[in-house]
Amino acid sequence: AQKITQTQPGMFVQEKEAVTLDCTYDTSDPSYGLFWYKQPSSGEMIFLIYQGSYDQQNATEGRYSLNFQKARKSANLVISASQLGDSAMYFCAMRAISSGSARQLTFGSGTQLTVLP
Amino acid sequence: SQTIHQWPATLVQPVGSPLSLECTVEGTSNPNLYWYRQAAGRGLQLLFYSVGIGQISSEVPQNLSASRPQDRQFILSSKKLLLSDSGFYLCAWSLGAGARETQYFGPGTRLLVL
Repeated sequence: AQKITQTQPGMFVQEKEAVTLDCTYDTSDPSYGLFWYKQPSSGEMIFLIYQGSYDQQNATEGRYSLNFQKARKSANLVISASQLGDSAMYFCAMRAISSGSARQLTFGSGTQLTVLP
Repeated sequence: SQTIHQWPATLVQPVGSPLSLECTVEGTSNPNLYWYRQAAGRGLQLLFYSVGIGQISSEVPQNLSASRPQDRQFILSSKKLLLSDSGFYLCAWSLGAGARETQYFGPGTRLLVL
């Protein structure tokens, strides 16, 4: 079974600063994908970034980057130059494709990020 | 571009009443469709997914059911709601398969069972 752990229930960051949101995962499957989603107060889950287990480089998407450390089984999200609109809940998720339930995304419990002006 | 719609946005229902939540996707064909539930302050739990019309897989046994009467329509139903059915219900779509398959979510439906 897969498991995602997000140890930071809440984080604060000053506007224009960078922030790192932690995510560790557990799987015995060699092939998996890692995802980060943003959920503002409106509720919609917004896809941010993807990292594959075989990707050689860390994923980047605009101000979002993923610090992927495979040996440590961590996939931390880095948001650079934080903006007030970044205030939201952030979820890390994983899919292991050879598992019995390969369609399922396993989600962490989330981190509530608050950007301070 | 693809868009996903859910309705209603908010619903308050008494215990024991029926439920029907609808999800539709535009701008794509033969998507994979998903229903998730999110309890307050928690992550998402997959309830059902469908890879084609009439094909439904259930991940969690409960008093909910799902149907896919059309390619881009996914419906979540219940004959008799329980208090524990309260939560935020999200529909998602994706294309393809494999580790890279990315799911895109709709705006969600907030359900309160009283």
